[in-house]
Amino acid sequence: AQSVAQPEDQVNVAEGNPLTVKCTYSVSGNPYLFWYVQYPNRGLQFLLKYITGDNLVKGSYGFEAEFNKSQTSFHLKKPSALVSDSALYFCAVRDISGGSYIPTFGRGTSLIVHP
Amino acid sequence: DAGVTQSPTHLIKTRGQQVTLRCSPKSGHDTVSWYQQALGQGPQFIFQYYEEEERQRGNFPDRFSGHQFPNYSSELNVNALLLGDSALYLCASSLTGGEAFFGQGTRLTVV
Repeated sequence: AQSVAQPEDQVNVAEGNPLTVKCTYSVSGNPYLFWYVQYPNRGLQFLLKYITGDNLVKGSYGFEAEFNKSQTSFHLKKPSALVSDSALYFCAVRDISGGSYIPTFGRGTSLIVHP
Repeated sequence: DAGVTQSPTHLIKTRGQQVTLRCSPKSGHDTVSWYQQALGQGPQFIFQYYEEEERQRGNFPDRFSGHQFPNYSSELNVNALLLGDSALYLCASSLTGGEAFFGQGTRLTVV
């Protein structure tokens, strides 16, 4: 079985400050991990993924995420937040050895960046 | 290069009616997945099509059915609509095992 948790419904940060959106996962085998962003009334846009290799993954729009196997976490980060980063962020996981082609999505975290 | 396109963007239907939603995948992608996203929730997987066959299905009733055509485009059909079927329906395309690219969604309202 595969599952993902986003413990925060909402994250508030001031523009220019660093941001972190948390994600933890559970899989039986090895994970593929993804972050997506969703703007109002739009589909999800792919930000970045971790499959293997370097634990620090860099993605679109200056975002990065750090894979931590011991803590089963894949937190999304950005050094300096922009007001335009305000959106809904989804973490997703797929168990490579689980025989499924389908990622499971978290419930989402609303990021609000204040001017 | 066009991304994933869905039609229509918005739809209003009456309880008991049937609806068909359409999706054209990103160029080169052979796999199409459909998701239902209720307000304030993450996307819930409905089913995935590959090589014109349903490869995997989520926990949705048989009222939800689909099809994939030889050009990889896909349809989602929902019969006997319920008020609870109101949601944003998302189509995502991918190469097998790769990251999914989503369309803008179809907002279905059942009244």
